[in-house]
Amino acid sequence: GQQLNQSPQSMFIQEGEDVSMNCTSSSIFNTWLWYKQDPGEGPVLLIALYKAGELTSNGRLTAQFGITRKDSFLNISASIPSDVGIYFCAGQDYGQNFVFGPGTRLSVLP
Amino acid sequence: KAGVTQTPRYLIKTRGQQVTLSCSPISGHRSVSWYQQTPGQGLQFLFEYFSETQRNKGNFPGRFSGRQFSNSRSEMNVSTLELGDSALYLCASSLGWGDTEAFFGQGTRLTVV
Repeated sequence: GQQLNQSPQSMFIQEGEDVSMNCTSSSIFNTWLWYKQDPGEGPVLLIALYKAGELTSNGRLTAQFGITRKDSFLNISASIPSDVGIYFCAGQDYGQNFVFGPGTRLSVLP
Repeated sequence: KAGVTQTPRYLIKTRGQQVTLSCSPISGHRSVSWYQQTPGQGLQFLFEYFSETQRNKGNFPGRFSGRQFSNSRSEMNVSTLELGDSALYLCASSLGWGDTEAFFGQGTRLTVV
């Protein structure tokens, strides 16, 4: 079946640093999504990407839909303690099905 | 505007029992999707309901079923529970079928002993 790979699996960064994470797939998706999940909560949609090559920002977050339609990346600039959590990518295929990546766990050191 | 409400938040069941989980979507949302989240498998899609009809189904055995009512509320049922069914079950609501703007509830933590 379809699978997404996310890297890194986890990361520890200093407050104020920029963060990069990415998501790759062997399948093509027509939509890429990035979610953040805090402990004890459901995932929250951060950014949705609908077109290959699209670059979209949401505050300190920037995400891009890869040209091949098989990858996406998320950048967080000037990280703060509340950025801690698990970041999931998800792809939506042409059958409207969603596939989620395993997540990147972000920890921010003060 | 109230968010997605899932009940109960926590549940402990014994192997072989069945369980029903409930999800009330955001007012006006007609699509409800269910996901299973485990440390080993991550977030896996179970099924999506829109206008009381199942529109998509993930790769789960027939022990997992669901339904949607005319007020868009949805229930998910798992019969003959197995230890491996222990997970966080998340429901997401959206305006329409396959809509990317999906809002998740806090989930129901099911533990099977």
